[in-house]
Amino acid sequence: EPEVTQTPSHQVTQMGQEVILRCVPISNHLYFYWYRQILGQKVEFLVSFYNNEISEKSEIFDDQFSVERPDGSNFTLKIRSTKLEDSAMYFCASSDQHQPQHFGDGTRLSIL
Amino acid sequence: QKEVEQNSGPLSVPEGAIASLNCTYSDRGSQSFFWYRQYSGKSPELIMFIYSNGDKEDGRFTAQLNKASQYVSLLIRDSQPSDSATYLCAVPAGANSKLTFGKGITLSVRP
Repeated sequence: EPEVTQTPSHQVTQMGQEVILRCVPISNHLYFYWYRQILGQKVEFLVSFYNNEISEKSEIFDDQFSVERPDGSNFTLKIRSTKLEDSAMYFCASSDQHQPQHFGDGTRLSIL
Repeated sequence: QKEVEQNSGPLSVPEGAIASLNCTYSDRGSQSFFWYRQYSGKSPELIMFIYSNGDKEDGRFTAQLNKASQYVSLLIRDSQPSDSATYLCAVPAGANSKLTFGKGITLSVRP
């Protein structure tokens, strides 16, 4: 069964450094999403992406965050200058038109 | 601010019992509803979705939707220890839109 793949599975970064989280959505899906989950808390929406542009973003997704689909398969989330509070699990998800979202295994981001 | 509430839990049931997990939502215009299962340290895994009032069955799982009461539930029949996980209710803001998740209900199935 096709799946969303995310790399790396765990990223440790010094505060203030840039980090790029990578995702390969399911190949025929058109809609892409990033969510995060701080330990012990709810899954929170960050941003959605369709037709090569952001379609929706939350208040968490400030100027430090950006997304990109650099080629036909990858979808990346960049955090420009990481803060301690960015430590969380980051999940990429994708969906087809009018279909449920499927999640990748996540990247655990630890900011030191 | 659209809310999804899962206020019951944690829930512990014996193996073979029926587990009932509940969720309420604030947006009366919501059209679709999803149940995800999340094992500790893992990602959410879609197990059921429902669009219409009434029941939808898939194997041991039944989703129940009551739009008038803004209530969606998940029943797990013949619960197994492998069902022990956190169950997340999620509601999209619209077609192909962001999901709003509840905090989840942690289910423990005792052997």
